[in-house]
Amino acid sequence: NAGVTQTPKFQVLKTGQSMTLQCAQDMNHEYMSWYRQDPGMGLRLIHYSVGAGITDQGEVPNGYNVSRSTTEDFPLRLLSAAPSQTSVYFCASSTGQEAFFGQGTRLTVV
Amino acid sequence: AQKITQTQPGMFVQEKEAVTLDCTYDTSDPSYGLFWYKQPSSGEMIFLIYQGSYDQQNATEGRYSLNFQKARKSANLVISASQLGDSAMYFCAMRDYQGGSEKLVFGKGTKLTVNP
Repeated sequence: NAGVTQTPKFQVLKTGQSMTLQCAQDMNHEYMSWYRQDPGMGLRLIHYSVGAGITDQGEVPNGYNVSRSTTEDFPLRLLSAAPSQTSVYFCASSTGQEAFFGQGTRLTVV
Repeated sequence: AQKITQTQPGMFVQEKEAVTLDCTYDTSDPSYGLFWYKQPSSGEMIFLIYQGSYDQQNATEGRYSLNFQKARKSANLVISASQLGDSAMYFCAMRDYQGGSEKLVFGKGTKLTVNP
């Protein structure tokens, strides 16, 4: 029972590099989302998806891109990494009364 | 806009005692859900408990209970018989059902320390 699988767990990028954070869930949830967590600010919504083929912006979408080609997968792309994107990233999968998170990715942009 | 407020940056409790973590929310939507998560030092987000806005009874899950006072817009988490392993950050979150989306809005969290 894997739940939400998020990779990688740690990543260091140079300014300007691009990368993709992977997220997969095996609970057949329609709704998936990406959050970033910064010290003292709780979790903030980056992008979300209510089903395959449908995505929308959250509170802090700039510099990030998402797609949802299948129910299971919801990757987050950093187009050109900036030091301001240094953060911990969480993928979540939810439906109704359940909302589960991946283990998180600690990203450092130097 | 939906908003979650956690006014206690840090809380201390003695082992085996009960502790209440405060959470107030603001929404104009009659249909919403409230969540509590635990984040230990290892970093993962652990789901603890859920309360729906139309639920008549307060939610309970083992040692966790949610003191839901709808008129006051509060959803405080009560941990009974605290254990050393309860030391962690605790986040209150609200689900916004407007427009067919299921966004979670988080508070800034409360750091709980359980003393032996």
